[in-house]
Amino acid sequence: GQSLEQPSEVTAVEGAIVQINCTYQTSGFYGLSWYQQHDGGAPTFLSYNALDGLEETGRFSSFLSRSDSYGYLLLQELQMKDSASYFCAVRDGDDKIIFGKGTRLHILP
Amino acid sequence: GAGVSQTPSNKVTEKGKYVELRCDPISGHTALYWYRQSLGQGPEFLIYFQGTGAADDSGLPNDRFFAVRPEGSVSTLKIQRTERGDSAVYLCASSLGGSFDEQFFGPGTRLTVL
Repeated sequence: GQSLEQPSEVTAVEGAIVQINCTYQTSGFYGLSWYQQHDGGAPTFLSYNALDGLEETGRFSSFLSRSDSYGYLLLQELQMKDSASYFCAVRDGDDKIIFGKGTRLHILP
Repeated sequence: GAGVSQTPSNKVTEKGKYVELRCDPISGHTALYWYRQSLGQGPEFLIYFQGTGAADDSGLPNDRFFAVRPEGSVSTLKIQRTERGDSAVYLCASSLGGSFDEQFFGPGTRLTVL
């Protein structure tokens, strides 16, 4: 079957750095995306990695290792507004997007 | 510009009834996706349209669920004989068309089946 694993919850302090990991097992792979979702809101796109390596967009970076079926989202200089759920999502060989169950990020002042 | 819109925002219905959920994608986006999200879970893929045709409907849970996109723009998700287990937020997303395009999500329709 297809599965994505990510921690259910992570807690960090305002101003700090946090890493959210994602491992996947899917039939085919085109790329790994990350989405942010605030309570009651819609998921919003953060990043997409099709190739190995690190992609940086402002305070957020995303990493992919295809050989390890692993990726992570790195959030720097955490702000209270970053408190949200973060989902990794894989585009599988059939062009479907498979989402993980999400990681709830709690930020302490 | 306008984002993805979904109507209604909330729908309460009784078990056994028929419901229709509408999605209006971003103008020019050829790809349209439907997802279902339960509390504490990630979005669960239902169906994907490329233009007017369903490119992949493998996520539809059973034959009570059906979706159309007759003119390649607005899409309607139809659920027959609703069951309490159908209660969830139904999300629609659209993308420009390429396989690797960013998906833009609508605000969702919260369906409650009593």
